[in-house]
Amino acid sequence: AQSVTQLDSHVSVSEGTPVLLRCNYSSSYSPSLFWYVQHPNKGLQLLLKYTSAATLVKGINGFEAEFKKSETSFHLTKPSAHMSDAAEYFCVVSADPRDGLTFGKGTHLIIQP
Amino acid sequence: NAGVTQTPKFRILKIGQSMTLQCTQDMNHNYMYWYRQDPGMGLKLIYYSVGAGITDKGEVPNGYNVSRSTTEDFPLRLELAAPSQTSVYFCASSETSGTGGYRYGYTFGSGTRLTVV
Repeated sequence: AQSVTQLDSHVSVSEGTPVLLRCNYSSSYSPSLFWYVQHPNKGLQLLLKYTSAATLVKGINGFEAEFKKSETSFHLTKPSAHMSDAAEYFCVVSADPRDGLTFGKGTHLIIQP
Repeated sequence: NAGVTQTPKFRILKIGQSMTLQCTQDMNHNYMYWYRQDPGMGLKLIYYSVGAGITDKGEVPNGYNVSRSTTEDFPLRLELAAPSQTSVYFCASSETSGTGGYRYGYTFGSGTRLTVV
């Protein structure tokens, strides 16, 4: 069984300030973890993925995430927010391809000018 | 390399009508999936397939059917459309490492927005 909890449904930051989107997961097996971004009325774009290699994962557009097994967390960060980062972000876990991906409910990121 | 292609992009159905959402991938992925996304929610798995001729139910399969006659195609069938099926539908495909470790990536289609009235 696998599950994922995104701890904040909405996060609001000012442009140029750091972004932190929190995600905790649960999995019976060693999981793969992903962050996807979805802009309004658009499809899903993969930001980054963790697949049991380096615990600090760098993704596109300056985002990165750190896998912490002891805390069962996979928080997404970015040093400086841009207006174009405003979107819905999904933390996703997958431990067995037969279970597909399990999505969190999403975090809506708002960027204040 | 087109990736995962879904058609149509938009559709309006009347209650009780039927339709097929098409999904094709050109990456030779064995695993394919159908998800639905309801407003303000993450995606939920409807059906998946681990290869041609093999399909299985996901979390929310009621009201849907699938088939997988080829590696490339994984259509989703709605037989008697209901308002509860108004949603955005995403098809995805996945590769596996084949070494026992689940080091794989998923590629999503651009989605089909379905409204049942």
